[in-house]
Amino acid sequence: KAGVTQTPRYLIKTRGQQVTLSCSPISGHRSVSWYQQTPGQGLQFLFEYFSETQRNKGNFPGRFSGRQFSNSRSEMNVSTLELGDSALYLCASSTDRAVDEQFFGPGTRLTVL
Amino acid sequence: DAKTTQPPSMDCAEGRAANLPCNHSTISGNEYVYWYRQIHSQGPQYIIHGLKNNETNEMASLIITEDRKSSTLILPHATLRDTAVYYCIVRAIAAGNKLTFGGGTRVLVKP
Repeated sequence: KAGVTQTPRYLIKTRGQQVTLSCSPISGHRSVSWYQQTPGQGLQFLFEYFSETQRNKGNFPGRFSGRQFSNSRSEMNVSTLELGDSALYLCASSTDRAVDEQFFGPGTRLTVL
Repeated sequence: DAKTTQPPSMDCAEGRAANLPCNHSTISGNEYVYWYRQIHSQGPQYIIHGLKNNETNEMASLIITEDRKSSTLILPHATLRDTAVYYCIVRAIAAGNKLTFGGGTRVLVKP
């Protein structure tokens, strides 16, 4: 079974631009969560989508948004990029069973110049 | 979700057991204890989880105290590939798939 895939793996943007990151979950998984990892703040939860609906949201500004498609693939968008948005963005997928573990992708490394 | 406390770092000798402690004194009755690890520059990897009973799988064992206020992850025979940051997470299942990561324990396995 293929794992969680994220594209692109690396991205360089400049301040003020916007960016879209993509995540393809494991086949059959309907839950997709996004996390941001920085050296200063560690791993922080951004949001979770389940069956195309946002089910959970972390404490991030509205510049961070996401969506999920009918095939469970998910995208997250960051508008008006700031230097502090430089981070590793991780996507995780999970089954419908609430107790099951999450499977993480390799992440997208975003650098904002 | 309940807050967890872990030592920031620990060393372990290759081939020996590694015992990683975690305090979660404010855990609620419906919250599970999960352990994940993150090897450098990779996405976190699930290790094990439990509610109140001790659990074991092919990777590790999880020992949860009777009052559930603390737990210990045991890697029975640490290898160099077990060098990673280990995260103890307490999670309420009803809250969906949100994981609240703390600082974790940086484990260095030495030859």
